[in-house]
Amino acid sequence: DAGVIQSPRHEVTEMGQEVTLRCKPISGHDYLFWYRQTMMRGLELLIYFNNNVPIDDSGMPEDRFSAKMPNASFSNLKIQPSEPRDSAVYFCASSLVPEKLFFGSGTQLSVL
Amino acid sequence: QKEVEQNSGPLSVPEGAIASLNCTYSDRGSQSFFWYRQYSGKSPELIMFIYSNGDKEDGRFTAQLNKASQYVSLLIRDSQPSDSATYLCAAKNRDDKIIFGKGTRLHILP
Repeated sequence: DAGVIQSPRHEVTEMGQEVTLRCKPISGHDYLFWYRQTMMRGLELLIYFNNNVPIDDSGMPEDRFSAKMPNASFSNLKIQPSEPRDSAVYFCASSLVPEKLFFGSGTQLSVL
Repeated sequence: QKEVEQNSGPLSVPEGAIASLNCTYSDRGSQSFFWYRQYSGKSPELIMFIYSNGDKEDGRFTAQLNKASQYVSLLIRDSQPSDSATYLCAAKNRDDKIIFGKGTRLHILP
């Protein structure tokens, strides 16, 4: 298996633009997590899905953030409009059970 | 706020010595605990997990859990320069949320 695949690896955008981050989980994994990592706040859980259904989105910072999982093979995280404080590394992780997470390579987002 | 706390370090340990990393958690309902290793610029990878009080050993790594004290630790024996990384402690609570600490930077001195 190729592991968790995230795209793009790097994204540079201007404030106010829409950003879409993509994730393909490991086949057969029922859980998908989105995390954001910064030096100041560490690795923060944004939202997680079980069987494509969002279970807890209490970590989503504000209404500018949204995430969907239309099928078992794909999830996206959108930020609209983006702000400089959204700059971070965004990780997607999947797991068979909500314990042993397999992380993607991450998307380094820079909002100018 | 349910948190996982770690000393940010850096923790410097001579090569061949034992590195000891510590973590505390605030949610008494937490059920499972994990240690992830993250090299600079890379994604976290799971190295140990523990569910029960006591010790769990895997090669050079030993995880220790004390639920009464809400304390988790990771010991790395015979430390190698390749062990230099940031170590993230994580806890899974009853809602299946996996919460991470900010990590401890470990530096193994050759």
